[in-house]
Amino acid sequence: KNQVEQSPQSLIILEGKNCTLQCNYTVSPFSNLRWYKQDTGRGPVSLTIMTFSENTKSNGRYTATLDADTKQSSLHITASQLSDSASYICVVSRRTGNQFYFGTGTSLTVIP
Amino acid sequence: DVKVTQSSRYLVKRTGEKVFLECVQDMDHENMFWYRQDPGLGLRLIYFSYDVKMKEKGDIPEGYSVSREKKERFSLILESASTNQTSMYLCAAGIGAENYGYTFGSGTRLTVV
Repeated sequence: KNQVEQSPQSLIILEGKNCTLQCNYTVSPFSNLRWYKQDTGRGPVSLTIMTFSENTKSNGRYTATLDADTKQSSLHITASQLSDSASYICVVSRRTGNQFYFGTGTSLTVIP
Repeated sequence: DVKVTQSSRYLVKRTGEKVFLECVQDMDHENMFWYRQDPGLGLRLIYFSYDVKMKEKGDIPEGYSVSREKKERFSLILESASTNQTSMYLCAAGIGAENYGYTFGSGTRLTVV
């Protein structure tokens, strides 16, 4: 069964600290993996996208990693800011059938 | 960048009403999608479309229909709204299987009373 699981479900950190969000998937055959940031009441916005051959991709203070062998990805946020408070959603695509599989997201709250 | 525009940010409708949610994209992308998002359930695919007048059921199509008469516009229709259709509705557009241009709209928060 094609699934995407994210952990933790929610996270609270102090401003300026780093954090890492996890995404494990069983989607096959794998095409690509995206991390999205979704502010409350808004649509998701793409942060990174990685294909099978990519291990790391950065977007400012956001760094995503992918281990296609273990089917795990992480999103590392460096020097967190209050504006990082949002839900972070992992989305995995299959290579066939134009299918996308969503994790239920990690809710991150950054406090001063 | 692809811009995906959903016509309403917030809607309140009565049970039994027919509801239209409109989505327009400006980059000539073939694929368009409608999702609903509920707490604890994440995003669930309702319908998607690969081209004009083409539509495919997603995971939860019951109670919904769609229309794609023009490439840039994908409409979600609730024939007879019910309270369990209260949700955040998200439209997305993208190109091809890799969908590097996969972009979401800002969402429509629908409340059915």
